[in-house]
Amino acid sequence: SQTIHQWPATLVQPVGSPLSLECTVEGTSNPNLYWYRQAAGRGLQLLFYSVGIGQISSEVPQNLSASRPQDRQFILSSKKLLLSDSGFYLCAWSSGSDEQYFGPGTRLTVT
Amino acid sequence: KQEVTQIPAALSVPEGENLVLNCSFTDSAIYNLQWFRQDPGKGLTSLLLIQSSQREQTSGRLNASLDKSSGRSTLYIAASQPGDSATYLCAVPPSGSARQLTFGSGTQLTVLP
Repeated sequence: SQTIHQWPATLVQPVGSPLSLECTVEGTSNPNLYWYRQAAGRGLQLLFYSVGIGQISSEVPQNLSASRPQDRQFILSSKKLLLSDSGFYLCAWSSGSDEQYFGPGTRLTVT
Repeated sequence: KQEVTQIPAALSVPEGENLVLNCSFTDSAIYNLQWFRQDPGKGLTSLLLIQSSQREQTSGRLNASLDKSSGRSTLYIAASQPGDSATYLCAVPPSGSARQLTFGSGTQLTVLP
């Protein structure tokens, strides 16, 4: 069966510090991968998606970036965090069925 | 631009009641519609996926319907239980793409024992 992992589960970082969130998927090959953000009082927003290694599409301009160094690994990064980057970050995957499956999320607080 | 609305924003019902959650979308050219459940501080759990050619899907006590022409979907929960308490979200991708989901803001359901 397929599983999706995210780490860390929670993170507190000061403004201006770098960020690296990791997502890995097990039990499937060549999945589509997604990064979403859920900010307090706001809905889920798609940030990036990837259909293959090295292929990244950005949905929202911001100071975040994403990379996919391996087939089942998706990384969300920032060089300098802003207060507005605080939120709940969710990774998801999908395959032929088009149904999206979400990871447990990372709670990021920028102080 | 697709907009997804969920009504009501919050709902509280006694245990055992049947209930309906509503989802509406502005652009009927959708690829499919997906219902999710989110528990506090947790990720999303996929409940049901309805393809654009389908009218409904059932899973246990859950039944989701889709009316593309009117831009609406409903999630029916039969015989509600306290364990059903969570936020329910619907999401739609644009026609021709299953990728860029647009989410509603969710309905927070509380089932009272």
